[in-house]
Amino acid sequence: AQKITQTQPGMFVQEKEAVTLDCTYDTSDQSYGLFWYKQPSSGEMIFLIYQGSYDEQNATEGRYSLNFQKARKSANLVISASQLGDSAMYFCAMREGGGFKTIFGAGTRLFVKA
Amino acid sequence: GAGVSQSPRYKVAKRGQDVALRCDPISGHVSLFWYQQALGQGPEFLTYFQNEAQLDKSGLPSDRFFAERPEGSVSTLKIQRTQQEDSAVYLCASSLWRVGGTETQYFGPGTRLLVL
Repeated sequence: AQKITQTQPGMFVQEKEAVTLDCTYDTSDQSYGLFWYKQPSSGEMIFLIYQGSYDEQNATEGRYSLNFQKARKSANLVISASQLGDSAMYFCAMREGGGFKTIFGAGTRLFVKA
Repeated sequence: GAGVSQSPRYKVAKRGQDVALRCDPISGHVSLFWYQQALGQGPEFLTYFQNEAQLDKSGLPSDRFFAERPEGSVSTLKIQRTQQEDSAVYLCASSLWRVGGTETQYFGPGTRLLVL
C-alpha cells in the first residue's frame, strides 16, 4: 500500500536561508508521481512541484527543487532563499501510475523568521 | 480569474442532518477530485471523476457519502445523516487532463463543515 511520511511537524528557517523539508514514501509500483503542495493559513492548496518516478533529473521550479533519491524512496523539498511568505504548511503527496488516488503526508509547518 | 470555487464556505449542521457541498471546477477541466481534510492532517482522497464518470470512490468513508457530477462540470458531495466525525474541511480540486503524469490539480478554498 502506498504511504507518505513527513517526520518534521515543524521547521524554523531564517529569512534568505535555504531549508529542506523531508518526505519519504512507500510504494510497490514502478510508475508513480510525487508532488509538493503549500497550504497557507487561508487554506488553499497550492501546487509547487512534481517529480515522476522515471524522471532522471531532479525537478526544479524557481526557488523550489525536489531532491529525488529513488533508492531511498525520498523526495525532499528544498526551498532556497526563504521568504516570509513561505511560512505555511507543506504537504508531500504521491499517486501511483495506474490509479486515481493521490495520498498526502501529514505535513510540515514551516516558519520563516525575519 | 476563474479558479475552483466551492460553496458554502462554512456549514454548521446538527447531527443527523443531510448536507450538500458544491464544487465549480475550472471550465473545461476533465478531472475532478474530492478530499477530506481533518484539522491538523493532510487531505484524504474521497473520490475522482473523469467528466461525468465516477472512476474511483474508494475513499468515501461510508455509504452516507455520495458524490455526483451529472453533466461533467459542477459536482456535489452529499453527506447524509451527518455525524460529528464528519467535521472537516472538504476540498475540491480539478485538473485539465485525465489523471496521469504531470497534470496540476487546482484546489478550491474548501468548505469547512462543523457537525454539532
